[in-house]
Amino acid sequence: GAGVSQSPRYKVTKRGQDVALRCDPISGHVSLYWYRQALGQGPEFLTYFNYEAQQDKSGLPNDRFSAERPEGSISTLTIQRTEQRDSAMYRCASSFWTPGTGRYGYTFGSGTRLTVV
Amino acid sequence: AQRVTQPEKLLSVFKGAPVELKCNYSYSGSPELFWYVQYSRQRLQLLLRHISRESIKGFTADLNKGETSFHLKKPFAQEEDSAMYYCALSKGGSEKLVFGKGTKLTVNP
Repeated sequence: GAGVSQSPRYKVTKRGQDVALRCDPISGHVSLYWYRQALGQGPEFLTYFNYEAQQDKSGLPNDRFSAERPEGSISTLTIQRTEQRDSAMYRCASSFWTPGTGRYGYTFGSGTRLTVV
Repeated sequence: AQRVTQPEKLLSVFKGAPVELKCNYSYSGSPELFWYVQYSRQRLQLLLRHISRESIKGFTADLNKGETSFHLKKPFAQEEDSAMYYCALSKGGSEKLVFGKGTKLTVNP
């Protein structure tokens, strides 16, 4: 697609329920990232993938959080047994390689605003 | 551990005035620095990368390793520059970004 697409845009869920957040990256982008942003804070790294391989999941706060990207394209971030402290904006990004600069740039999606009540 | 500090949560200037958004970082190696911007009702987007040494929308940022700073500057602010600005750092060779808390810039007419 033309950009990084995230769904749903807004999600309200009851405490204890599981939620799945979806990210569809830019076609051909190898790397996909998940960030979480609490109110008044900057984005905080959760995890990232190159193709279907999860390269780094050091930012996942606990084992209720998991992510997958089974075919190297669409990714799902799953939060089990949600808690109120999970309420935040969840941002997905994909990145390209810019020849000659040796450095990547991210393209972010619009984010999913999760509210746990 | 890497850390990015943006000391100003809010910054307000008048149109045509110079603007400087401060960013300081802590990292012992060779970092790569970025500025991201989020305009109202739009997604977070890349503004500048220090490695490309470019000027985007009149903004520039110079990496000062001695002062561990990467301040964002523009000589004449415009109303359309009003937005949330985030400074971010990555370790060389790593794609993971560490973001500051952001500075909300308001340019008044």
